[in-house]
Amino acid sequence: EVQLVQSGVEVKKPGQSLRISCKASGYTFTNYWIGWVRQKPGKGLEWMGIVYPGDSDTRYGPSFQGQVTISADKSINTAYLQWNSLKASDTAIYYCTRQVEVTYVELWGRGTQVTVSS
Amino acid sequence: SYGLTQPPSVSVSPGQTASITCSGDRLGDKSASWYKQRPGQSPVLVIYQDFKRPSGTPERFSGSNSGNTATLTISGTQAMDEADYYCQAWDSSTPVVFGGGTKLTVL
Repeated sequence: EVQLVQSGVEVKKPGQSLRISCKASGYTFTNYWIGWVRQKPGKGLEWMGIVYPGDSDTRYGPSFQGQVTISADKSINTAYLQWNSLKASDTAIYYCTRQVEVTYVELWGRGTQVTVSS
Repeated sequence: SYGLTQPPSVSVSPGQTASITCSGDRLGDKSASWYKQRPGQSPVLVIYQDFKRPSGTPERFSGSNSGNTATLTISGTQAMDEADYYCQAWDSSTPVVFGGGTKLTVL
């Protein structure tokens, strides 16, 4: 079974760093783009970016370039989303996704809730 | 940056046809997809590449994309179809973009 298993709930303070993860299974990790989508409380979906684990090619949405780092470790079939300095406005659910080429999301993880509060 | 516009809400009676639109500049030249999200759950792909249904999407769901508008149509709407629906577009020059979402209410 194809699965994306995300890391658990995070509660952080402003200014702290964070890395959340997404472990893929059931398919060849290096053959598909894997990425992240943000959903703030009560709001819509925002595409953050994707990485191709085969060659680490990475693309970011305009609002997220320079704000986060997306990466993948093909040795352990895991993708990451990282912040160096969290803000309260980063409070959201973050979905790990598998994309077909760059065109659409065919598989979603269950989401990781990140809360940033002083 | 490229933007997609959806109506905030659409209401439909059970058994009737619901249409949800998604508007964007020359959207018909891009590839459009649709996602369903029920409260507290992850989104699910229901239509991709304008009109294709993934396995598991009921046949009552259909999609079209022409001009500046993509449309998701649900025929014979059922209570289980009540959810938020998001359109999404892509082409080789535009990063992946989501619409703002439409809340479908089955009255």
